[in-house]
Amino acid sequence: DAGVIQSPRHEVTEMGQEVTLRCKPISGHNSLFWYRQTMMRGLELLIYFNNNVPIDDSGMPEDRFSAKMPNASFSTLKIQPSEPRDSAVYFCASSSPRTRGTDTQYFGPGTRLTVL
Amino acid sequence: AQSVTQLDSHVSVSEGTPVLLRCNYSSSYSPSLFWYVQHPNKGLQLLLKYTSAATLVKGINGFEAEFKKSETSFHLTKPSAHMSDAAEYFCVVSKAAGNKLTFGGGTRVLVKP
Repeated sequence: DAGVIQSPRHEVTEMGQEVTLRCKPISGHNSLFWYRQTMMRGLELLIYFNNNVPIDDSGMPEDRFSAKMPNASFSTLKIQPSEPRDSAVYFCASSSPRTRGTDTQYFGPGTRLTVL
Repeated sequence: AQSVTQLDSHVSVSEGTPVLLRCNYSSSYSPSLFWYVQHPNKGLQLLLKYTSAATLVKGINGFEAEFKKSETSFHLTKPSAHMSDAAEYFCVVSKAAGNKLTFGGGTRVLVKP
């Protein structure tokens, strides 16, 4: 199994530009999560999908952020326009359904975003 | 609501000595608890998971954690630290059958030769 795949691994862009981060979850997993990690705020859940449907987007910072999951094997997180304070590492994670208990989330390697 | 407090932001140990990372949680529900490790410039890897079965949970790389409900703690231990254990460790809580994880602030482990 290839694990969760994220691209790009590193992104450097200028303020005001659009940024698109991509994620391919583990095959067979039906839940997908986007997190952001910064020194100041640690790890924060931005949004999560279940069966391709957004369930909770309360962590999305503002309207500049949007996420989509057009099918079970692909999701995007878009920032438009980007700002320097968006600089962070963005992680994608996926999990599979269980009959009881909390699903274990498997994380991708992350995308390090730098907005100049 | 649920929360996690990792009591030490940094821990320094010598190679071959025990490691103790402390975690206290607060949850209105019967929680599931996890420890994840993050090596520099890498993603998060699951070390171990507690989900109301045995209170002593064994994980990968010789780590284990003990769930103590009376103390609302889930401390992570390893009897003998290895240089490769240098990383950041996150204690995580989730309500049972829920999907939202709440992360602690992390504990950065330094292993001295």
